[in-house]
Amino acid sequence: QKEVEQNSGPLSVPEGAIASLNCTYSDRGSQSFFWYRQYSGKSPELIMSIYSNGDKEDGRFTAQLNKASQYVSLLIRDSQPSDSATYLCAVGTGNQFYFGTGTSLTVIP
Amino acid sequence: DGGITQSPKYLFRKEGQNVTLSCEQNLNHDAMYWYRQDPGQGLRLIYYSQIVNDFQKGDIAEGYSVSREKKESFPLTVTSAQKNPTAFYLCASSIVGGLAYNEQFFGPGTRLTVL
Repeated sequence: QKEVEQNSGPLSVPEGAIASLNCTYSDRGSQSFFWYRQYSGKSPELIMSIYSNGDKEDGRFTAQLNKASQYVSLLIRDSQPSDSATYLCAVGTGNQFYFGTGTSLTVIP
Repeated sequence: DGGITQSPKYLFRKEGQNVTLSCEQNLNHDAMYWYRQDPGQGLRLIYYSQIVNDFQKGDIAEGYSVSREKKESFPLTVTSAQKNPTAFYLCASSIVGGLAYNEQFFGPGTRLTVL
């Protein structure tokens, strides 16, 4: 059973702060790692993908991967109220993805 | 515009009925997927297909069926054998090949409710 674990939250941060979202996974053979943002009632939207150890930055988002610790995180800098959503961690092995249950983030104006 | 479309947006099913959810993509992706999302749960894979006329069961395939007659289309039928079909159904697609470059992109979803 391949498992992807996320803190369900809710996580609340003030506007302008850094939001930190965490994810752990059980399958050491996992090769690809993704963060999706899902607004209430909408479908998931891909915001970051990372494949090798280290950091990957895209605008206000930074994904961090540590394969030895089987850990992937997402940092959102200068958080905005529009960032309020559920963030899904997905871990890929070959052609299959396994999703966490998501972390609900609320950015307080 | 390239993208994935799903229809209908909302669907109501009576007990004992089969219903078919549509998924079409014009991204020229080889792989297509169907997921189910229940409140407070992650996405669970129902079926996936990497090439035309071939598909594989996911973790929760019982009570569902699919076909892949065209690259662009991957319809999902929810049969009367699925006892708890009320959920948000999501279709996704991706390229095939390479070890890791298989980002999946989602359609807008179909919300199915059993009456």
